[in-house]
Amino acid sequence: GIQVEQSPPDLILQEGANSTLRCNFSDSVNNLQWFHQNPWGQLINLFYIPSGTKQNGRLSATTVATERYSLLYISSSQTTDSGVYFCAAFSGSARQLTFGSGTQLTVLP
Amino acid sequence: DAMVIQNPRYQVTQFGKPVTLSCSQTLNHNVMYWYQQKSSQAPKLLFHYYDKDFNNEADTPDNFQSRRPNTSFCFLDIRSPGLGDAAMYLCATRRQAEAFFGQGTRLTVV
Repeated sequence: GIQVEQSPPDLILQEGANSTLRCNFSDSVNNLQWFHQNPWGQLINLFYIPSGTKQNGRLSATTVATERYSLLYISSSQTTDSGVYFCAAFSGSARQLTFGSGTQLTVLP
Repeated sequence: DAMVIQNPRYQVTQFGKPVTLSCSQTLNHNVMYWYQQKSSQAPKLLFHYYDKDFNNEADTPDNFQSRRPNTSFCFLDIRSPGLGDAAMYLCATRRQAEAFFGQGTRLTVV
């Protein structure tokens, strides 16, 4: 199966700052998702982004499938952005979703 | 509207006492998954169904079983919970190559 790596593992920001989270994957995938896990444990879909760029409010994501990476941008961060951000992908014919190890984001007031 | 619903949100069970977690979906998706997540770790796949085709991950403990009586419902049974089974349990469905998760059930074993 594919390997998915995320960086940085931890990130602490002051409210209002911008940040970029990175996801590298070991093999070509035709799908990639970003999730935010809130303090209550729920995994919330942020983006389904196999390629290209998408934006949703203060968040945007870019996937360059040929170079096997994806980026999640958070602008003007808020304390409610705190939590763990995961990227994940299904590989080839595999039916399971492979997760990265996550980025723990803490936004300080 | 919630599309993947897990009940209960929080479950406390006694050591060794069987417990069942439930998941339902309104999406009519063929594929359903159960994941286990321990703190500070990525979710770990326990089982998945493609329609009625059941797939058990090689390292899923024998203590864990699953049932899918119909497309909408899926259950996770833990026959004899140990302290090490305390975790968040996440149910998910899949549409094409996109996964959708429920709110999770946080299991505590006392």
